[in-house]
Amino acid sequence: KAGVTQTPRYLIKTRGQQVTLSCSPISGHRSVSWYQQTPGQGLQFLFEYFSETQRNKGNFPGRFSGRQFSNSRSEMNVSTLELGDSALYLCASSRGARADTQYFGPGTRLTVL
Amino acid sequence: QQPVQSPQAVILREGEDAVINCSSSKALYSVHWYRQKHGEAPVFLMILLKGGEQKGHEKISASFNEKKQQSSLYLTASQLSYSGTYFCGTGGNKFYFGSGTKLNVKP
Repeated sequence: KAGVTQTPRYLIKTRGQQVTLSCSPISGHRSVSWYQQTPGQGLQFLFEYFSETQRNKGNFPGRFSGRQFSNSRSEMNVSTLELGDSALYLCASSRGARADTQYFGPGTRLTVL
Repeated sequence: QQPVQSPQAVILREGEDAVINCSSSKALYSVHWYRQKHGEAPVFLMILLKGGEQKGHEKISASFNEKKQQSSLYLTASQLSYSGTYFCGTGGNKFYFGSGTKLNVKP
């Protein structure tokens, strides 16, 4: 079974720009969660999508948004980038049941200059 | 809501044992343990769902005390491959990870 894939793997943007990251979950998984990982803050939960609906949301500003498509693939968008948005963005997929095991993708390393 | 992990870092020699603790101020439904090697994604180790449950895989095991809202990860006879950062995760669909414990196993 193929694992979780994320594209692109690396991204360099400048302040004020916007960016879209993509995540393809494991086949059959209906839940996709997004996390931001930084050295200072660790792994922070952004949001979770299940069956094309945002089911849970973390404490991030509205500049961070996402969506999920009917094939369970998910995209995350960050608008008006700030220097502090530089991070590794990880997505994780699961079947969707409560406290289900999450399987992480390799991440997208975003650098904001 | 973020679980608290301790210690923050551990340095071991091959063959030594280590314990990593994870505690929460909220009632725990489950505890998940992950290991992340440098430059890689977190990899699932195990999940504990019931109070007092203990699970293991080879020389890595974990316990979950639901009443105390704590979980501990036990690494026995550590190997070089155990090096990495260990995270505990708690919650239902809204998941929170601890700040991580950096484990360094030296020859």
